[in-house]
Order: sequence, then C-alpha cells, then structure tokens
Amino acid sequence: EAGVAQSPRYKIIEKRQSVAFWCNPISGHATLYWYQQILGQGPKLLIQFQNNGVVDDSQLPKDRFSAERLKGVDSTLKIQPAKLEDSAVYLCASSLDQGWGYGYTFGSGTRLTVV
Amino acid sequence: EDKVVQSPLSLVVHEGDTVTLNCSYEVTNFRSLLWYKQEKKAPTFLFMLTSSGIEKKSGRLSSILDKKELFSILNITATQTGDSAVYLCAVPSYNTDKLIFGTGTRLQVFP
Repeated sequence: EAGVAQSPRYKIIEKRQSVAFWCNPISGHATLYWYQQILGQGPKLLIQFQNNGVVDDSQLPKDRFSAERLKGVDSTLKIQPAKLEDSAVYLCASSLDQGWGYGYTFGSGTRLTVV
Repeated sequence: EDKVVQSPLSLVVHEGDTVTLNCSYEVTNFRSLLWYKQEKKAPTFLFMLTSSGIEKKSGRLSSILDKKELFSILNITATQTGDSAVYLCAVPSYNTDKLIFGTGTRLQVFP
C-alpha cells in the first residue's frame, strides 16, 4: 500500500513569512495527526483529526498555526507568521482508527528552517 | 500529566557491542508502549508491548515491559552500523490516540 505522502520535503523561510505543508494519508485511514519534532526532542502532537473533525488541538499554537482536513482525506498545516522557534520537522501520520497506538504510519516529514 | 523518559540520551558503541535502551513512563490508564526507530525523518515501528514480562523479539532486537515498575527496555545485540539511529519510546494517552514520546536515545555504532 502507498504510504503517507508529505510535501514539501524541505522549506526555508524568513521569520514572519507564511508556509503551508500538505499531507495525504493512507487510503481509508480515518485518523490523521500532525506532529512537530524540534531537534533533539521527541515528536509532539499538534493536532489530531478523526475524519474531518478535530479530536485534539490542545497543543496547537492557534494564534499562528492552523490546520484543516477537508473531506476527511488530505490535510494542510499552515503557519502564519512563522517564528524562529518553529524550525522543526513536521510529521504527518495516519491510522485506521483510534486504538492503542498500533498501526500508526508516519510520513517522511517536512523539515522547516526559519531564518 | 502523561510522561515518557528515555535514557541514556546518547550512546556511542562499536560494531558487535550489545546495548540496552531504557524507557520509563507515567500515563493514566496504560494500554501499550511502542518503540520506533528514526533514521532520517520518519519513525518506523519496531514493537508494541502490552503485557508484562513477555519479550518481543525481531532478529537482534528485543524488548520487554515491566508494568509494575513502569518501564521498558530495548536490547540490541551484535550491533551493526545500520543500527545507528534515534530510538523513540511512546505511549498512547488515555482518552485519545495521540502518542506521548520520549526525547529518544541517539545510538551511534562505529565500525
């Protein structure tokens, strides 16, 4: 089966600019996650969707980050305006349904550098 | 608050050595603990552990869970340079499926 697709793979922007990331999950996977992984740390959940509804966005900095999952398939994550501390790898993952953590598939991520 | 702590943060060994990576956790209503290997960007799944004392094994890698003491270990025997990676431990949170990750252990294996 095709994996989780993410684009772009790399992005360099200046602070205060905006940026968007795209994710296409595995076909049929109802749950989609966006994680932020800062260098030297483990991934941290930003937002979780179940179909096109938000399950958890408690750690999403809503003043600058937004995400949507129209039609319950692919998703975009946007940062506007970006700050230096947003430099990180943004990982998208999907799973068939909510459960015990098994069945997660991660995409290859987008490495964002804010200068 | 759910928490996962890994140690050591970094490990440098020579090929052929055996390593043990540690993961301790605090989570409401424990369901499972997962180990991932992260070489470039995408974490890849290694093991899911749900029961105490039952070892999961895949080739040179093995893992075991102690639910009483709230920790897990990942063992890698006869290490190879291809084992060089960050090893992440994670637990799903109580009321959603989000994974709480530790900071990871960076393993470097030199020839």
